[in-house]
Amino acid sequence: SQQGEEDPQALSIQEGENATMNCSYKTSINNLQWYRQNSGRGLVHLILIRSNEREKHSGRLRVTLDTSKKSSSLLITASRAADTASYFCATDAAAGTALIFGKGTTLSVSS
Amino acid sequence: ETGVTQTPRHLVMGMTNKKSLKCEQHLGHNAMYWYKQSAKKPLELMFVYSLEERVENNSVPSRFSPECPNSSHLFLHLHTLQPEDSALYLCASSQDAQGSYNSPLHFGNGTRLTVT
Repeated sequence: SQQGEEDPQALSIQEGENATMNCSYKTSINNLQWYRQNSGRGLVHLILIRSNEREKHSGRLRVTLDTSKKSSSLLITASRAADTASYFCATDAAAGTALIFGKGTTLSVSS
Repeated sequence: ETGVTQTPRHLVMGMTNKKSLKCEQHLGHNAMYWYKQSAKKPLELMFVYSLEERVENNSVPSRFSPECPNSSHLFLHLHTLQPEDSALYLCASSQDAQGSYNSPLHFGNGTRLTVT
């Protein structure tokens, strides 16, 4: 089934650095979403980018989408320790069914 | 907090027990979901309910039985589980009655289930 694959699986950076996570998917999509999950908690929606959009910003987050390469990236600028979490991309099938998630990228930000 | 409340937060059960997970959403959403999250695996969609009707069932074993009595409540009834069913079970809701198309999912904090 259609699935987003995040890369890298794990990322460790220092506070103040930028963190970039990538997501690749297999088939056409209507939109792609990014979620964050803190340890032991549920997922929290960060940003949704539609298939006709190329870039979207929300605070320190910047998401890009390249439908020709079937890939997206999430950039977190000026990382903070509180950004430590797992980040997931999720895509919908063209038919608009429920989201399919990848395995996630685990981000560790040390102070 | 999130508008989606799951109880209990933790559950330990034997393989012969029967238990239920509960989810309640206070967001006025029309769709509700059960996901299973196991270590090192992607989130697995289990069930989708739209306007209280089940619209998706992803080949989930019959030992998991969902129930959606109204648009605000969702249950997952468990019986005769296996140790490999141990996982974090996440409930989510979305505004869109047709699923999460164009609308984000709002998750609860999950129930950590351990089957002994």
